[in-house]
Amino acid sequence: RKEVEQDPGPFNVPEGATVAFNCTYSNSASQSFFWYRQDCRKEPKLLMSVYSSGNEDGRFTAQLNRASQYISLLIRDSKLSDSATYLCVVNSYGQNFVFGPGTRLSVLP
Amino acid sequence: SAVISQKPSRDICQRGTSLTIQCQVDSQVTMMFWYRQQPGQSLTLIATANQGSEATYESGFVIDKFPISRPNLTFSTLTVSNMSPEDSSIYLCSVGPYNEQFFGPGTRLTVL
Repeated sequence: RKEVEQDPGPFNVPEGATVAFNCTYSNSASQSFFWYRQDCRKEPKLLMSVYSSGNEDGRFTAQLNRASQYISLLIRDSKLSDSATYLCVVNSYGQNFVFGPGTRLSVLP
Repeated sequence: SAVISQKPSRDICQRGTSLTIQCQVDSQVTMMFWYRQQPGQSLTLIATANQGSEATYESGFVIDKFPISRPNLTFSTLTVSNMSPEDSSIYLCSVGPYNEQFFGPGTRLTVL
């Protein structure tokens, strides 16, 4: 089993739609969780950290369920500019980042 | 956040040759990492570049194939040695603490 797994995608959604991505991780000792965004032919960039209480940044909401070892990212009112690959990232204190395989999103006009 | 530059941005190389990739950061950083992203794949950590000591390699990566230098806190190099087409990939350096990482723009390598 891979350490971090994500919905395979791709997700093709119309503008204005709400879309949710799921991610599961296998290491119960994981302590930090992130969503990164990677545009085509670009480097990954931090989208948001994921906290136990859940957190929201504008149209983006991230949630963490430690018991189920599950992370989610919700995007509301999708924009064309949201088209990208979304990477779920997990790490334990003092350990390295582990990247999920990514979920590709295409927002269509 | 740190500003990270990489050189070269891309290269096409013949098999059997070696390429050295440079990573420069605009501020001193403790942690610096090298990743590989193969076509259509996610990122895989190659090694942690340690200043003043040998790099720490992940399983499946060895120093003879991917020698790394870290002469100071703002600079590192990764060499891809004796290249084969399977080494065609994007190589990215990153910096940051364990709770956040910033990535360089990457080096796109094609091996013929």
